[in-house]
Amino acid sequence: QIVLTQSPAIMSASPGEKVTMTCSASSSVSYMHWYQQKSGTSPKRWIYDTSKLASGVPARFSGSGSGTSYSLTISSMEAEDAATYYCQQWSSNPPTFGAGTKLELK
Amino acid sequence: QIQLQQSGPELVKPGASVKISCKASGYTFTDYYINWVKQKPGQGLEWIGWIYPGSGNTKYNEKFKGKATLTVDTSSSTAYMQLSSLTSEDTAVYFCARKGFAYWGQGTLVTVSA
Repeated sequence: QIVLTQSPAIMSASPGEKVTMTCSASSSVSYMHWYQQKSGTSPKRWIYDTSKLASGVPARFSGSGSGTSYSLTISSMEAEDAATYYCQQWSSNPPTFGAGTKLELK
Repeated sequence: QIQLQQSGPELVKPGASVKISCKASGYTFTDYYINWVKQKPGQGLEWIGWIYPGSGNTKYNEKFKGKATLTVDTSSSTAYMQLSSLTSEDTAVYFCARKGFAYWGQGTLVTVSA
């Protein structure tokens, strides 16, 4: 199965700061998907097909990448963005998730 | 609106089985796969398998073969997952999610404890 490695595992950012987190796949995938999860709630689809924002996701979020290297960027950190972000692929069975990047507000 | 409503928390004894449900509304149930995902306390997400309600076809993560059994009741638009021979390693929140993972249930906490 394809292993997704997210880095960093934990990070903190101040309001207004640019944030970038990455997801590296053990084999090439066609697309990467990202989910936001806050404590005690279910994951929310956040970015799909590498760069498409899910409904309601602020435009300060963006996704990019190809092959084995993908990233999620926040252009200007806001308090509500503090959460854990998971990458996911389903180009290859079984679908797999990364271990997550926990983003904290500094 | 599209909703997936899961059954409530379960406390079960080691060695027992449990069946949790995921009731869909707001769309044609038989048109979309239902995925099941496991999240152990404080940990990441793990895909268990999917079922296609239109046919009953299933696909499982090899790791969960023999542990999870996915079924549906199309008359009530409900998907089920049965977990068997439970151990402490099965203590987790289990989510259902529609094909594409755009819609998720609220999760069902299964606690395995004597």
